[in-house]
Amino acid sequence: EDKVVQSPLSLVVHEGDTVTLNCSYEVTNFRSLLWYKQEKKAPTFLFMLTSSGIEKKSGRLSSILDKKELSSILNITATQTGDSAIYLCAAPGGGTSYGKLTFGQGTILTVHP
Amino acid sequence: NAGVTQTPKFQVLKTGQSMTLQCAQDMNHEYMSWYRQDPGMGLRLIHYSVGAGITDQGEVPNGYNVSRSTTEDFPLRLLSAAPSQTSVYFCASWPRGGMTYEQYFGPGTRLTVT
Repeated sequence: EDKVVQSPLSLVVHEGDTVTLNCSYEVTNFRSLLWYKQEKKAPTFLFMLTSSGIEKKSGRLSSILDKKELSSILNITATQTGDSAIYLCAAPGGGTSYGKLTFGQGTILTVHP
Repeated sequence: NAGVTQTPKFQVLKTGQSMTLQCAQDMNHEYMSWYRQDPGMGLRLIHYSVGAGITDQGEVPNGYNVSRSTTEDFPLRLLSAAPSQTSVYFCASWPRGGMTYEQYFGPGTRLTVT
């Protein structure tokens, strides 16, 4: 059974801090890993990672995949109160389970002014 | 395009009652899924569909039924509601063969079973 585990489960920081969120996975026929941000409503897509060592960036957010360690990190630099959210990582199944997306438990990030 | 729509937004049921959560998308997406979200549990897959007439179970299918008679609609049925089904339910759709795996989520249905 596919498994995705995130750490830490919650994190409290102050504006300006840099945070690193972790995601590890055990997925048959791994193809990609996804990151989402959720703010009191439906999740919104951030990144999709398929190749090891290649960094994806969007503003202050960046993410990288380590296929050898079966893990990914999401970095947020110079955090702002608007970054407060649940951050979710997920992996699609392989083969005939392509339509099956397994999510981690999520990391609740709280950024204080 | 309306995207992914879900109805109702809120629902309170008594134990043993049945109901159907509606999900529709107007983007002609082949794939659709239902998730439930509980505190500290992320999103857990209930059922998913890779096309009209094709459905499969996810991680937590017990107590829920689905069908996919059209590409647009993917209703989720609770046959006999239980307090353990109190949760927020999200429906999502995405196209087959897309370059990214961006799922389009509906706004969610908050269900309380007393």
